[in-house]
Amino acid sequence: GQNIDQPTEMTATEGAIVQINCTYQTSGFNGLFWYQQHAGEAPTFLSYNVLDGLEEKGRFSSFLSRSKGYSYLLLKELQMKDSASYLCAVRDRAGGFKTIFGAGTRLFVKA
Amino acid sequence: DSGVTQTPKHLITATGQRVTLRCSPRSGDLSVYWYQQSLDQGLQFLIQYYNGEERAKGNILERFSAQQFPDLHSELNLSSLELGDSALYFCASSVDRGLSSGNTIYFGEGSWLTVV
Repeated sequence: GQNIDQPTEMTATEGAIVQINCTYQTSGFNGLFWYQQHAGEAPTFLSYNVLDGLEEKGRFSSFLSRSKGYSYLLLKELQMKDSASYLCAVRDRAGGFKTIFGAGTRLFVKA
Repeated sequence: DSGVTQTPKHLITATGQRVTLRCSPRSGDLSVYWYQQSLDQGLQFLIQYYNGEERAKGNILERFSAQQFPDLHSELNLSSLELGDSALYFCASSVDRGLSSGNTIYFGEGSWLTVV
């Protein structure tokens, strides 16, 4: 089966940098995603990592280490609108390429 | 706008009833996924279809069923509804044609189901 762990909540200050970690266990790793979700809204795609290393996209970067089963999402120059839940998701070949989501990390950005 | 369309947006029904949620994937996407999200909970994977065939199954109750039609739209049927089935039901789709970049899942706005 799959197991995805990420912190439940984090708080950071506007303008700062925050790193949200995700660890996972899966038998047929086929990629890791990060999504942003505001309360009551649909998750929106942020990043996708399938190979080790850092992917940078504007203020957001995502890192993957497959050997360690570890990823992080780095958010720079935090803005109030970044207050949301951040979901780590893993795509698994086992059982048909399903994509399983972690419980999410609720980020609070304060002034 | 992700391009994934779900109807209805809101639905209120009584316990014991049956409802059908509908989803049209993004143009060209072959895979359709259904997820359930209860209040303040994570996304629970229910089921995935690929080009009309069931591909992966998650924690879907026996009272729930789904299908994907030849035109690739999908329906999720929820029967014998219970209070605990109240949740936001998301449909999502992806290209899934073998390229890594095609594995990204795009979500619809969701269907809010309230069982009273």
